[in-house]
Amino acid sequence: GNSVTQMEGPVTLSEEAFLTINCTYTATGYPSLFWYVQYPGEGLQLLLKATKADDKGSNKGFEATYRKETTSFHLEKGSVQVSDSAVYFCALSEESNYQLIWGAGTKLIIKP
Amino acid sequence: GAGVSQSPSNKVTEKGKDVELRCDPISGHTALYWYRQSLGQGLEFLIYFQGNSAPDKSGLPSDRFSAERTGGSVSTLTIQRTQQEDSAVYLCASSQGRVQYFGPGTRLLVL
Repeated sequence: GNSVTQMEGPVTLSEEAFLTINCTYTATGYPSLFWYVQYPGEGLQLLLKATKADDKGSNKGFEATYRKETTSFHLEKGSVQVSDSAVYFCALSEESNYQLIWGAGTKLIIKP
Repeated sequence: GAGVSQSPSNKVTEKGKDVELRCDPISGHTALYWYRQSLGQGLEFLIYFQGNSAPDKSGLPSDRFSAERTGGSVSTLTIQRTQQEDSAVYLCASSQGRVQYFGPGTRLLVL
């Protein structure tokens, strides 16, 4: 079946460091891919998405490129801030329906 | 416009009691989802409503859990005879398309 695997956390970085959170997926067809973020004490928010191969989603300085050849959708940011501390979830939506299949989440901790 | 709202935001109950959790989706969204998020864990899918179709109940953990959606809008998740392991944050999401929009959740604590 379809699945999403993301790197285990917590990931701890210093402010202004480069961030990569790995996400790989298994799916038939051409799913859409998403990153959601959950800030402390808040609900889940869509961070960015990509709907087809080679698309790049971007928001708030974060980027992720839909790589069909490597079945990946890694999240990157060039210079993280303390305010980026949150839990990040990778997810996919199958072609045949709109249900999301979720990764386990990666907790990101940014130290000043 | 208004986002997804959930009530109550927090609920403390005693083991064995029934609880009802409410979700108001974004107006016009045909799909509605319930998830459970236990402390430090990922999202666990519970149930999915799409328009007038029969709901996908495949994620409900036991027959103590049920949900309904009235008039294609508001949804209620009911947990009967609550157990301590039911303690979690219950999240509702709605969508019109592939992007799901989440409510703030209801934090349930079963003593």
